[in-house]
Amino acid sequence: QVQLVESGGGVVQPGRSLRLSCAASGFTFNKDAMHWVRQAPGKGLEWVAIIWYDGSHKNYADAVKGRFTISRDNSNNTMSLQMNSLRVDDTAVYYCVRDPFSGNGYWGQGTLVTVSS
Amino acid sequence: QSALTQPPSASGSPGQSVTISCTGTSGDVGGHNYVSWFQQHPGKAPKLMIYQVTKRPSGVPDRFSGSKSGNTASLTVSGLQAEDEADYYCSSYAGSTNYVFGTGTKVTVL
Repeated sequence: QVQLVESGGGVVQPGRSLRLSCAASGFTFNKDAMHWVRQAPGKGLEWVAIIWYDGSHKNYADAVKGRFTISRDNSNNTMSLQMNSLRVDDTAVYYCVRDPFSGNGYWGQGTLVTVSS
Repeated sequence: QSALTQPPSASGSPGQSVTISCTGTSGDVGGHNYVSWFQQHPGKAPKLMIYQVTKRPSGVPDRFSGSKSGNTASLTVSGLQAEDEADYYCSSYAGSTNYVFGTGTKVTVL
């Protein structure tokens, strides 16, 4: 069955960096675009970034552009999100999502990132 | 990248229908047929319920249906059941590899 397992979350001070990972299994990873979506505590969903199936194209929400970098390793079925210059308002659960606009759309359980001094 | 507009809440009795709207612009909902709907129970990850405006993934009951008119997409839940009580979010492709989510709607089964 499809599994997406996020890791790397934790508590970090403002201005510091954190790297999230997503381990995928149960499907052909190199055929799907992958997204990161976040949800601040008690708030709605916010799209963060996308990476195409082959890593050839990436895009970011304005709120994270220039600070976050999405990448993938199709040989190891993993995706990552490098988050630099973290701000308090980056505090959220970060979800790894398999192409949410196809019938294969699937969400991981999420990893909590808390940015606090 | 402004969020799509959804009503904060909707409700219905068991067996009734509830429809949730998702209003965007011609740049997102109105201009593309890549609209998805997600169900989220408290403390859980979202689950895909509708994709590409009207399509249901395998395993999703046919009580869930989607539609679109102009800049507004809609999700209808027919024959409401207790387990349908959850938050629902729409999302749309917004062009140039950008995506946007709706503000979310809390559905209550009375």
